[in-house]
Amino acid sequence: DVKVTQSSRYLVKRTGEKVFLECVQDMDHENMFWYRQDPGLGLRLIYFSYDVKMKEKGDIPEGYSVSREKKERFSLILESASTNQTSMYLCASRQGGSNQPQHFGDGTRLSIL
Amino acid sequence: DAKTTQPTSMDCAEGRAANLPCNHSTISGNEYVYWYRQIHSQGPQYIIHGLKNNETNEMASLIITEDRKSSTLILPHATLRDTAVYYCIVRPFVAGGSQGNLIFGKGTKLSVKP
Repeated sequence: DVKVTQSSRYLVKRTGEKVFLECVQDMDHENMFWYRQDPGLGLRLIYFSYDVKMKEKGDIPEGYSVSREKKERFSLILESASTNQTSMYLCASRQGGSNQPQHFGDGTRLSIL
Repeated sequence: DAKTTQPTSMDCAEGRAANLPCNHSTISGNEYVYWYRQIHSQGPQYIIHGLKNNETNEMASLIITEDRKSSTLILPHATLRDTAVYYCIVRPFVAGGSQGNLIFGKGTKLSVKP
C-alpha cells in the first residue's frame, strides 16, 4: 500500500520561530508536493519537487522554503512563522512522468500563536 | 479555479449505492478525471481515475459519458465510513511529470445514514 507519512499531526509554534514540517514516502516516487488547506479556500500548492534537489514554486510560496536532499523525504520550512500561516499542511507524492494519482499524508495541523 | 461542478451535498442510505455526479463540460482531450475523498481531519484519499473508459477498483466505479463532459462515481454499497467530502478533479497528463498540481473545488459532502 502507498504510504505518505507526515511527522506530526498537530503542532503549536510561536510567531517568529523557524518551523520544519517533514514528509516521507515509501513508494520511490519522483514527485512530491506541499499544500495548505484553509476553510473556503480549498487546497493551495506551496511548492513541489520533481526530483532530488529540484523544486519549483507553487501558487503561494511566500514565507516558505523546501528541501529535498533524499528522494523519499520532502521538508517544508517556515522561515519565520506568522499567525497567517496557521493552517492544515498536506504533503503528497506521485510517480513522475505518468497519469498516476497523487497520494496524500494525513496532514499536519499547525497553529502559530 | 476548479474546472468541475458538483452538487454541494447528497444523502445516501447505508447499504445502498451512492452515485456522485460531476460535470466537466470544458474537459480537454488529454485531461484525466480523478476522484478523491476527504474524511474530516484527514488528508485526501485517492479513489479512482480515468480518461474515457469506465473504470472499477476495489473502492468504486467511475462512469464517464461518451462525450466526456460528465462522470459519475459509484460506491456500490455505501457504509457509514464513506461519509466524507468527495472531490472530482480534472488534470492533464503532463509528459515528463514535472508538474501535476491538483485543483480541488468545493466537492460534494456525502452523508451516509443508517
